[in-house]
Amino acid sequence: QQQVKQSPQSLIVQKGGISIINCAYENTAFDYFPWYQQFPGKGPALLIAIRPDVSEKKEGRFTISFNKSAKQFSLHIMDSQPGDSATYFCAASIPGNTGKLIFGQGTTLQVKP
Amino acid sequence: EAEVAQSPRYKITEKSQAVAFWCDPISGHATLYWYRQILGQGPELLVQFQDESVVDDSQLPKDRFSAERLKGVDSTLKIQPAELGDSAMYLCASSFNINQPQHFGDGTRLSIL
Repeated sequence: QQQVKQSPQSLIVQKGGISIINCAYENTAFDYFPWYQQFPGKGPALLIAIRPDVSEKKEGRFTISFNKSAKQFSLHIMDSQPGDSATYFCAASIPGNTGKLIFGQGTTLQVKP
Repeated sequence: EAEVAQSPRYKITEKSQAVAFWCDPISGHATLYWYRQILGQGPELLVQFQDESVVDDSQLPKDRFSAERLKGVDSTLKIQPAELGDSAMYLCASSFNINQPQHFGDGTRLSIL
């Protein structure tokens, strides 16, 4: 019940296309859902995050869509660029005295020129 | 932009040896996290500090791993003795407080021979 399942494992998109990465969870107590971007040899960098009281959040080319009833959330990257090629992780946090993050397995995105 | 500093960036050592990692969080961040990231997987929390106190070490293999944050600022993670299965990226993250966005350092890549 503590898992966050992420798909697909890898994704290839043409430059200018839309990249979509999906995550699903079981624990309805999760209340914070961030997405991280990680380049090889670097630590994860916070990209965008959402709380379950909204269904969508947009920051530039990045949008999170959240479906509370389906317990799913997704990252959309519009106008994908070669510089977006990286590994993306979704995560979920349990409220309370730790704010512990549970990460998905990651999606490796390749944007072809 | 302030960053989480980690050292060393790379560490190669033989099994049964001791190894230590150091982390300096973003100034003013009360919460510090140590994660382990196995290649091809998402980070998993090992230990979490709030100031100098441990608030979650449920996933820390305490027979060989130890962590401290004596003055509530920088932190050290130690492994003794190291085992082959400890080969991974060790990431440190910090946040202003619990349930605030977590910011990661670039990690220490550990290889056990």
